[in-house]
Amino acid sequence: RKEVEQDPGPFNVPEGATVAFNCTYSNSASQSFFWYRQDCRKEPKLLMSVYSSGNEDGRFTAQLNRASQYISLLIRDSKLSDSATYLCVVAAYSGAGSYQLTFGKGTKLSVIP
Amino acid sequence: DAGVIQSPRHEVTEMGQEVTLRCKPISGHDYLFWYRQTMMRGLELLIYFNNNVPIDDSGMPEDRFSAKMPNASFSTLKIQPSEPRDSAVYFCASRGPWDRGNTEAFFGQGTRLTVV
Repeated sequence: RKEVEQDPGPFNVPEGATVAFNCTYSNSASQSFFWYRQDCRKEPKLLMSVYSSGNEDGRFTAQLNRASQYISLLIRDSKLSDSATYLCVVAAYSGAGSYQLTFGKGTKLSVIP
Repeated sequence: DAGVIQSPRHEVTEMGQEVTLRCKPISGHDYLFWYRQTMMRGLELLIYFNNNVPIDDSGMPEDRFSAKMPNASFSTLKIQPSEPRDSAVYFCASRGPWDRGNTEAFFGQGTRLTVV
């Protein structure tokens, strides 16, 4: 089983649509969770951290279910500029400098006019 | 801050040649990561350092790959000899001290390596 799994997509949605991405992870000792965004031929950049209570940043909502080892990202009112690949990221820190930062392969989103 | 700086941005080399990729992390960051990205495998962690010490190199594909971090502001990833299957985008990322609430890893712009 892959450490972090995502539906690769692509998701092709019209402007204004709501789209949801899901992610599962295998390491139950993981402590921090993130969504990164990667534009074509660019480096990944942090979109938002994901907290156990769920968190929202404008049109973006992230949720975490530790029991199911499941993370989600919801994008409301999609914009053309949201077109990118969204990477699910899981971190585990076990002391003595050990910090595993593991990326999913990403879900590609295309928002269509 | 200039962010994580990688060089070169692009590298085209012939099979069998040595390739050296360079990275300057953000000042004050104590973690440095080397990743490789391909369409097939996504972002794979090759090796990471904490306070210039390699912590986990289990992702390094084989002995042809080596990485060093001689000081807090510089790291290299070397491939010798290079092979066509090493063609990929290589990213360096850094992160600040955990105990200061730093969780975000910042990426450099990557080095696009083509081995012909």
